[in-house]
Amino acid sequence: ETGVTQTPRHLVMGMTNKKSLKCEQHLGHNAMYWYKQSAKKPLELMFVYSLEERVENNSVPSRFSPECPNSSHLFLHLHTLQPEDSALYLCASSQDLASGGAWETQYFGPGTRLLVL
Amino acid sequence: AQKVTQAQTEISVVEKEDVTLDCVYETRDTTYYLFWYKQPPSGELVFLIRRNSFDEQNEISGRYSWNFQKSTSSFNFTITASQVVDSAVYFCALSEPLYTGNQFYFGTGTSLTVIP
Repeated sequence: ETGVTQTPRHLVMGMTNKKSLKCEQHLGHNAMYWYKQSAKKPLELMFVYSLEERVENNSVPSRFSPECPNSSHLFLHLHTLQPEDSALYLCASSQDLASGGAWETQYFGPGTRLLVL
Repeated sequence: AQKVTQAQTEISVVEKEDVTLDCVYETRDTTYYLFWYKQPPSGELVFLIRRNSFDEQNEISGRYSWNFQKSTSSFNFTITASQVVDSAVYFCALSEPLYTGNQFYFGTGTSLTVIP
């Protein structure tokens, strides 16, 4: 496989369920990201990882728990979500993080469309 | 205030027409990057172009062209001779690596429908 893959592509869960989203990048990149895309709103950056270390957490509720076991895999663990958490969750990767004014292009996966009932 | 504004929510054009998607940005940084991404119905964001703030030269790639104007803080995207496969949501994005690090600001997107 090439690029960035995400599973599952669609997920329906109740508010008391626990589920996990998986992202895998086959690009040899060192940085990975989780974004949330809600209807009519800009993409929101949730978490940033570099070499398996979390470098940013943009005030995301604790019911979202990321995990990065290695530089190729990123998980988003979901627990007791709310209906307003229904959205498209996108994973992205880049060669490295932005540094010294240089930016790394991010490459995105197809997303997981989540519906919380 | 929103850092990236895409005022056009939805646009419909007939195939072979030219269409311009507008993007206006706001930044305090002198070093910044602008991007366009395409999101087809499959959901995956496809990278189209990256432009840094020091390079105002316009760029053309096939039927795509980009007009970067620092004076008006705009980075507009034109599709020439549109095709049905161009139907997608297009996002403009801004990064300010020196000011906000890894934050990546997206606009709300413009949904383009090309009618055969």
